[in-house]
Amino acid sequence: AQSVAQPEDQVNVAEGNPLTVKCTYSVSGNPYLFWYVQYPNRGLQFLLKYITGDNLVKGSYGFEAEFNKSQTSFHLKKPSALVSDSALYFCAVRDMVGSSNTGKLIFGQGTTLQVKP
Amino acid sequence: ETGVTQSPTHLIKTRGQQVTLRCSSQSGHNTVSWYQQALGQGPQFIFQYYREEENGRGNFPPRFSGLQFPNYSSELNVNALELDDSALYLCASSRLGGGANVLTFGAGSRLTVL
Repeated sequence: AQSVAQPEDQVNVAEGNPLTVKCTYSVSGNPYLFWYVQYPNRGLQFLLKYITGDNLVKGSYGFEAEFNKSQTSFHLKKPSALVSDSALYFCAVRDMVGSSNTGKLIFGQGTTLQVKP
Repeated sequence: ETGVTQSPTHLIKTRGQQVTLRCSSQSGHNTVSWYQQALGQGPQFIFQYYREEENGRGNFPPRFSGLQFPNYSSELNVNALELDDSALYLCASSRLGGGANVLTFGAGSRLTVL
């Protein structure tokens, strides 16, 4: 079965420091990977995706993610964290079983990022 | 372009009742999917609609049903509500055509079942 794991419930970082939010995946075939962010009382907002090509993907708000096939990881990174980055972050993989046209995403449990001034 | 809008934003029901949640897709999108997000959990796929038909379903019982209308808006209906149905229900729209499509999510409808 396809799955995504986010091993950290919470990540704490000081403003201005680099941040990493970890994600590992388990899929058959080539993965389509996504990162979304959720602010309180808001829906999920798309940050970036990996489909194919360059292993370093750049996304919204200065975020980037590194795809590592050998480690089956897709960690989210940002060189310099902002207090406003504090939110709940979800890694997700597209469920490709059966049909490539299904919209089903399989989400991790989420990681709360806390950026302190 | 307009985003995905959901209504109502909050509602409270009692066990055994029925609820209908509504969603308007983002302009230009023809596919709608629904997710359930329990407290402290990641969203779980309920089902997807394309061309007014369900074309994918997650591990949810038949009392969860939906509709998609010609204007691509959608409804999620839940019958015989149970306490465990308390959650944030998220609607997402996209353009069908491949696994790389990005889902655009609404802000959700928070359902509390007492």
